[in-house]
Amino acid sequence: GAVVSQHPSRVICKSGTSVKIECRSLDFQATTMFWYRQFPKQSLMLMATSNEGSKATYEQGVEKDKFLINHASLTLSTLTVTSAHPEDSSFYICSARKGLNQPQHFGDGTRLSIL
Amino acid sequence: AQSVTQLDSHVSVSEGTPVLLRCNYSSSYSPSLFWYVQHPNKGLQLLLKYTSAATLVKGINGFEAEFKKSETSFHLTKPSAHMSDAAEYFCVVSGSGNTGKLIFGQGTTLQVKP
Repeated sequence: GAVVSQHPSRVICKSGTSVKIECRSLDFQATTMFWYRQFPKQSLMLMATSNEGSKATYEQGVEKDKFLINHASLTLSTLTVTSAHPEDSSFYICSARKGLNQPQHFGDGTRLSIL
Repeated sequence: AQSVTQLDSHVSVSEGTPVLLRCNYSSSYSPSLFWYVQHPNKGLQLLLKYTSAATLVKGINGFEAEFKKSETSFHLTKPSAHMSDAAEYFCVVSGSGNTGKLIFGQGTTLQVKP
């Protein structure tokens, strides 16, 4: 159990477009989901924490108007990269947990490439 | 504040030999510690977790880790490496309070030679 599905796995688009990434917990209800960004050969950087039905909490330095997060249900959170530019190219990973003190389960990530 | 340090950025072993990936942590209270593995272009898979129960934690795929409070260490071991173990490994500590934020080490790349 505890499967997290992330879609799409890869996106290539032109500069200026907006891109939506979905994160779904397939076999459990996730009260909290997390969004991470990972640069090549580096560790994961937490972007924001998303709780169902409330506004996301963004980490320092992450633009909330640039990276829109919606967590409308206990099984789905979305990250929208608005007006994407080449510097937004990265590997984005989501995770979900069932509750406090529960481990996070990760999606397979989305490779975003902005031309 | 919590932090975690992975002492080796790259470890190379031969297939069939033991694996040791080192991790030291810093925490002002009793931490929850995890090891995750990441294969290329994939998300992270939980190998094992320590949450103040037994100090020797057994995980999946033959991995285990021992929590040593006196040494503030949580090293990951496996008796015999397989080619499929080649991946990136992250030692992770859970942040303070109820935020559940994870604090990641910088990662260790494990190379397994035939």
